[in-house]
Amino acid sequence: AQSVAQPEDQVNVAEGNPLTVKCTYSVSGNPYLFWYVQYPNRGLQFLLKYITGDNLVKGSYGFEAEFNKSQTSFHLKKPSALVSDSALYFCAVITGTASKLTFGTGTRLQVTL
Amino acid sequence: GAGVSQTPSNKVTEKGKYVELRCDPISGHTALYWYRQSLGQGPEFLIYFQGTGAADDSGLPNDRFFAVRPEGSVSTLKIQRTERGDSAVYLCASSLPSGANVLTFGAGSRLTVL
Repeated sequence: AQSVAQPEDQVNVAEGNPLTVKCTYSVSGNPYLFWYVQYPNRGLQFLLKYITGDNLVKGSYGFEAEFNKSQTSFHLKKPSALVSDSALYFCAVITGTASKLTFGTGTRLQVTL
Repeated sequence: GAGVSQTPSNKVTEKGKYVELRCDPISGHTALYWYRQSLGQGPEFLIYFQGTGAADDSGLPNDRFFAVRPEGSVSTLKIQRTERGDSAVYLCASSLPSGANVLTFGAGSRLTVL
C-alpha cells in the first residue's frame, strides 16, 4: 500500500519569508512523488515531481522540493513567499507498479503582508 | 481540447435520484482517472481507465457507482440511488500512460445531494 502524510493542516508565513510545506510518504518500492496546488474553484495544478536523479527538483512559480529517502520525505519549499501563493497544497505518491496516484489530505498555505 | 473538461460544474439532486457526470480528457491521453474530493480532504481515487477498459476500479465505494469510457475518450461517472454522503467534488484527470506521467485535472463537478 502507498500513503502520504501532510502533518500540518495550515501553514502561515509572511510575504518575503521562506516557506516549507511538509510531506512524508510510505510505499513499497521506489516512489514517484508529486506536488499539486489547488486555488479556490479551480482544478488541481501540477507543481513539480520527483522520479529519479537529483534529489532537489524545481518546479513552477519558484517552488522546489527535496527528496529525502532516509527520512521518506518530500517537503515543498520556496525561498520567498508571495501573497498569491496562498492556496491548498497536496503531496501525492505513486510507485512504478501501481496504477493510481495517492494524495495527502492537503495543507493550506496562508501568506500575509 | 486544451484541457480536461467536466460537465456539469454543479449538480444539485435529491436523495435517491440518478446522476451522470461527464469528463472530456485531453486529446491523446489514454489514461483517465476519477477522484472524489470531500470538504477538507484530499482527492480520493475512484477508478482508472487505460483506453476503453477499467484497469483499476478498486476505489469505487459500492455498486451504486459505475463509470464507462466506451470509445477511449469521453468518460461518464454514473451514480445510482444517490445518498447525501455522495455529496462531494468529483474530479477527472487524464494523462499519457500512467506511472510517472503528470495528471492534468479538470475543474471538477460539485455534486450536492439534498
